[in-house]
Amino acid sequence: EADIYQTPRYLVIGTGKKITLECSQTMGHDKMYWYQQDPGMELHLIHYSYGVNSTEKGDLSSESTVSRIRTEHFPLTLESARPSHTSQYLCASGHTGAGNTIYFGEGSWLTVV
Amino acid sequence: AQSVTQLGSHVSVSEGALVLLRCNYSSSVPPYLFWYVQYPNQGLQLLLKYTTGATLVKGINGFEAEFKKSETSFHLTKPSAHMSDAAEYFCAVSLNTGGFKTIFGAGTRLFVKA
Repeated sequence: EADIYQTPRYLVIGTGKKITLECSQTMGHDKMYWYQQDPGMELHLIHYSYGVNSTEKGDLSSESTVSRIRTEHFPLTLESARPSHTSQYLCASGHTGAGNTIYFGEGSWLTVV
Repeated sequence: AQSVTQLGSHVSVSEGALVLLRCNYSSSVPPYLFWYVQYPNQGLQLLLKYTTGATLVKGINGFEAEFKKSETSFHLTKPSAHMSDAAEYFCAVSLNTGGFKTIFGAGTRLFVKA
């Protein structure tokens, strides 16, 4: 299994603040993903990357942005947080040769007040 | 485009009873299929997966699932429920063509009664 780490796990911030959610994996996976999940609800893909310098928007429109400068690192940034951004953000990674299996971090809970 | 439908947002069983969580998929090409489990305030953990080969797949914690192409189904079962099985379960589908996105179902919350 992949070792994939997300920080912070829990964050409460004020409206208008800029925040970055960190995600790192140590397995050298080429693909990485960000999903957004409201409590008790389904997962929505908001960003994904096939490799360094590759980023794509997912199926759910998001005001966040991502970057992939290093294979192991895929941070997500909100330039100006709003209460509507309150949610859980799940980072995942996977390798093409593993039957497209993806592995998740423990999630980052963001609350914007 | 692929899609996943999980029948029943909530399933309740008694401890020791059979667990059956239903998942149907739609895909134009042979899919890869997955079941994940999510405990409160945690990420998703892979239970089992089907890629190719044997259609009955065994996973962790005594769960198994059977890929039935004719029914486009990948139902998850466990012969005897345990209290620790109470969680949210997600079925997912992925294709090895035209991108590698994994699409998840809406999830089924499993309740286990003592």
